Amino acid sequence: NAGVTQTPKFQVLKTGQSMTLQCAQDMNHNSMYWYRQDPGMGLRLIYYSASEGTTDKGEVPNGYNVSRLNKREFSLRLESAAPSQTSVYFCASSAGLSNQPQHFGDGTRLSIL
Amino acid sequence: EDQVTQSPEALRLQEGESSSLNCSYTVSGLRGLFWYRQDPGKGPEFLFTLYSAGEEKEKERLKATLTKKESFLHITAPKPEDSATYLCAVQDGGSARQLTFGSGTQLTVLP
Repeated sequence: NAGVTQTPKFQVLKTGQSMTLQCAQDMNHNSMYWYRQDPGMGLRLIYYSASEGTTDKGEVPNGYNVSRLNKREFSLRLESAAPSQTSVYFCASSAGLSNQPQHFGDGTRLSIL
Repeated sequence: EDQVTQSPEALRLQEGESSSLNCSYTVSGLRGLFWYRQDPGKGPEFLFTLYSAGEEKEKERLKATLTKKESFLHITAPKPEDSATYLCAVQDGGSARQLTFGSGTQLTVLP
């Protein structure tokens, strides 16, 4: 029972490099999300996808792009990584946008040197 | 702007010593309040959703309650395996797409 799967689990990049974080869910959920978690700041929403074919900005979208590849997969891309993007990134999914609990993957730990 | 404040930031309890975690919130109209548990190196794990003041939900040693301004997570006779960070999040009626998370309470239960 996989739930939400994120790859890779760890990554170290140099400033200016690009990278795509992958996320897949097997719960047939319509909505998917990308968050970042920084010490003392709580989870902050980067982008979300209400349903297949749609994406919208969250609280902190600058420096990121997303692609909802199909109903199962939602990727996050850093085009030119910066040290400020060092964080733990979580993908989540839910049946719908409203009143539905979000289910999270175990995160990607990303360091930008 | 929605705000969520959790207290205390950290809490150490002896096994069997009951206590409560607090989540204070400010939203324009509450659509739902969510409690999560997060273990080190893992993603948040969903525990409860509360929708209206007066509502209560229970799961094993955990009980969540909701008022118009805050929610409490009561832990009765905790065990070491209850050690984790507990996160609270709110969803308001106007912005159905975003959850606003608090920064969490790190609970340690000593044997």
